Amino acid sequence: EAQVTQNPRYLITVTGKKLTVTCSQNMNHEYMSWYRQDPGLGLRQIYYSMNVEVTDKGDVPEGYKVSRKEKRNFPLILESPSPNQTSLYFCASSLGTGGGSPLHFGNGTRLTVT
Amino acid sequence: DAKTTQPNSMESNEEEPVHLPCNHSTISGTDYIHWYRQLPSQGPEYVIHGLTSNVNNRMASLAIAEDRKSSTLILHRATLRDAAVYYCILNSGSEKLVFGKGTKLTVNP
Repeated sequence: EAQVTQNPRYLITVTGKKLTVTCSQNMNHEYMSWYRQDPGLGLRQIYYSMNVEVTDKGDVPEGYKVSRKEKRNFPLILESPSPNQTSLYFCASSLGTGGGSPLHFGNGTRLTVT
Repeated sequence: DAKTTQPNSMESNEEEPVHLPCNHSTISGTDYIHWYRQLPSQGPEYVIHGLTSNVNNRMASLAIAEDRKSSTLILHRATLRDAAVYYCILNSGSEKLVFGKGTKLTVNP
């Protein structure tokens, strides 16, 4: 089944403890991106990747890192999480980078930083 | 800032058509218009997209103004399962995507 898989679905951690949220897609998609969703603020893009080894900042990249070493995976890394990074995170992918390809989203990761 | 403008909320009755508007006055020639919806406790789900011509699929229809500065998502017969937040976004494929806050659709039985 074609899908975007995020892990974990729920994560509770403490301030400063490095964590990684994984994202994997099995559709051979070129484009992948990460979003965070907070009440009243909608979906905001953190980072995106147009292809392997090509990443760029979205609207809210501070405090996050990403890597795209292989096409299927796009992990989101929080080197030193802080409480203001408590949020609902979504990974998404699309086939191409020409704007005409639909985005496929994962089911989300709810992160709580205490 | 979001490149699209949508009403914060809309309400409809079950089995009636719903027209969800979206303004995108600064759209460029390479921008596709995409619509997504997000059901409670789920990730956003693709609904439909188009470039210049109106589009139909099994979920909805997309009507695009001739000047492309606005579009309308049409749900032909709303059901309770259509209650969601609907996002209209522009996607040229060459830059970051801005989702905005979307329109929360309430469907009354």
